[in-house]
Amino acid sequence: DAGVTQSPTHLIKTRGQQVTLRCSPKSGHDTVSWYQQALGQGPQFIFQYYEEEERQRGNFPDRFSGHQFPNYSSELNVNALLLGDSALYLCASSSSGDNEAFFGQGTRLTVV
Amino acid sequence: QKEVEQNSGPLSVPEGAIASLNCTYSDRGSQSFFWYRQYSGKSPELIMFIYSNGDKEDGRFTAQLNKASQYVSLLIRDSQPSDSATYLCADEFSNSGYALNFGKGTSLLVTP
Repeated sequence: DAGVTQSPTHLIKTRGQQVTLRCSPKSGHDTVSWYQQALGQGPQFIFQYYEEEERQRGNFPDRFSGHQFPNYSSELNVNALLLGDSALYLCASSSSGDNEAFFGQGTRLTVV
Repeated sequence: QKEVEQNSGPLSVPEGAIASLNCTYSDRGSQSFFWYRQYSGKSPELIMFIYSNGDKEDGRFTAQLNKASQYVSLLIRDSQPSDSATYLCADEFSNSGYALNFGKGTSLLVTP
């Protein structure tokens, strides 16, 4: 079991650009959540996908969007990047009814 | 907006001692609470969850929940240097789906 995998592991982008991050959930999991973790902070919930729909969303602007595919994998898209978007982006997968989410290793995004 | 508050630390304890990590939460309606451990540069991993008042024990770890005081704690007995990490407390972002609302985390240092 490969667990939750994220790609890429590191990424450097320029202000104003767009970025796409990818996540493959743990086998058997159908729910994917995305978090942003700034340095020295706890992860902040961005949104959650279930059955290819955004089920709930945190306090993030519309520049942050996502998608879930029929195989449960997910993408996080961020448009018009700001310096403040520099962070570790974590994907977590879970199964409906379970009380545990498994995190991927994260994508470190640096905006310059 | 729901808040989970933690002392950022660092909390320093000698090897073999009991480490006590504390967390308060703002939403009296929160039902489930989670403790995650995050090593530097790594993703969070679940230690345990609790949703009933009282204590829940798992090996060297004991979670305590007091809903009247809106207080959650984690005790680590016989602390080891390998326990040195950031400990994240979380409640559920909402009542639907497994999305987490994290505190900023407490840094724990166990000294040999």
